[in-house]
Amino acid sequence: AQSVAQPEDQVNVAEGNPLTVKCTYSVSGNPYLFWYVQYPNRGLQFLLKYITGDNLVKGSYGFEAEFNKSQTSFHLKKPSALVSDSALYFCAVRDFNNNDMRFGAGTRLTVKP
Amino acid sequence: EAGVTQFPSHSVIEKGQTVTLRCDPISGHDNLYWYRRVMGKEIKFLLHFVKESKQDESGMPNNRFLAERTGGTYSTLKVQPAELEDSGVYFCASSQVGGLTDTQYFGPGTRLTVL
Repeated sequence: AQSVAQPEDQVNVAEGNPLTVKCTYSVSGNPYLFWYVQYPNRGLQFLLKYITGDNLVKGSYGFEAEFNKSQTSFHLKKPSALVSDSALYFCAVRDFNNNDMRFGAGTRLTVKP
Repeated sequence: EAGVTQFPSHSVIEKGQTVTLRCDPISGHDNLYWYRRVMGKEIKFLLHFVKESKQDESGMPNNRFLAERTGGTYSTLKVQPAELEDSGVYFCASSQVGGLTDTQYFGPGTRLTVL
């Protein structure tokens, strides 16, 4: 069965610095990978997804993620963090064996001014 | 275009009571999903509707949970009787196509607290 791990519960960065939120996955077939963000009192918002093709995927709000098959990772990145990026980030995976989307436990990103 | 909406935003009930959560998907989206996040853990899949039919309900925890989508529009999730471990945030999502690569759009969630 597919699974996702987000090894860090909390990530703290200073505004203007690059940020990385880590995600590793386990699937039996080709993975379909997603990142969502949850701002306070809001639902999950779709950021980006990897289906196939270029390993570097660009998404909303200046975020991007790099698919690394050998390391089974799909880390979320942004070159310059904003205070407004502070939120809860979820990585998710699907594969052809399962209809449901498997989420990680979430990583809380705090960007300090 | 309106997004996915959920009602209520919060619900506090006592153990043994009944609660019904509602989800209105994005107009035109045939696929509707229910998820739950308990105690700050991962978000877990509950079930998937395609129009009014249950495509996959493998994530439903037990028979105290009943989901319906009459007419293929909005959906309800009833918990009867509620137990303490049912507390959490219930999310609804919808998508247009429903394939593995399709993007699901989420509602704001309903926070359920069972006392």
